[in-house]
Amino acid sequence: DIQMTQSPSSLSASVGDRVTITCRASQSISDYLHWYQQKPGKAPKVLIYAASSLQSGVPSRFSGSGSGTDFTLTISSLQPEDSATYYCQQSYNTPRTFGQGTRLEIK
Amino acid sequence: QVQLVESGGGVVQPGGSLRLSCVASGFIFSDSGMHWVRQAPGKGLEWVAFIWYDGSNRYYVDSVKGRFTISRDNSKNMVFLQMNSLRPEDTAVYYCVTDGAKGAFDIWGQGTMVIVSS
Repeated sequence: DIQMTQSPSSLSASVGDRVTITCRASQSISDYLHWYQQKPGKAPKVLIYAASSLQSGVPSRFSGSGSGTDFTLTISSLQPEDSATYYCQQSYNTPRTFGQGTRLEIK
Repeated sequence: QVQLVESGGGVVQPGGSLRLSCVASGFIFSDSGMHWVRQAPGKGLEWVAFIWYDGSNRYYVDSVKGRFTISRDNSKNMVFLQMNSLRPEDTAVYYCVTDGAKGAFDIWGQGTMVIVSS
């Protein structure tokens, strides 16, 4: 199975900050990497698919980059509504696997 | 609008069975692969099962192989998860999800809670 490791596990940042979350795969997954945002009590929603493609309707402050084993999710200017848990996920093969999540808190 | 609605969750004793259902609307269901993803209370996301758009192939996480069966009825725009021999560690919210571009989990239902407890 492909292991997905996110860092950090949690972080606290201020409105307007630039925030970066990283995700590392245990083997190369090309660009079969996706990012999700989940707020408490809600279903996750996809933010970025195929490593760097912005899902329709997602604010442009979210961006993704990377290929192979190392990926990043960046929020260019943090907003209060971005408080959530973020997950990366690979679809290179089955079982599809997720990172453990990054809890983002707004200071 | 594009929507997935799950049902069938509840409380069941260890060793029991449940059948989850998910009805889709607002998109061409018969063109879409479908997944079940679960989330135990306070934990992260775990992929459970996947079925191709036509039902010809199915895949499972190791922990549910031989106990869970994913199926679909394209005439009714529905996907199912038959869960047998349930264990306490199967306690989770179960989400029905579409297979999107490059395998992203595209559209999510609201989830249905399954509690396995005596």
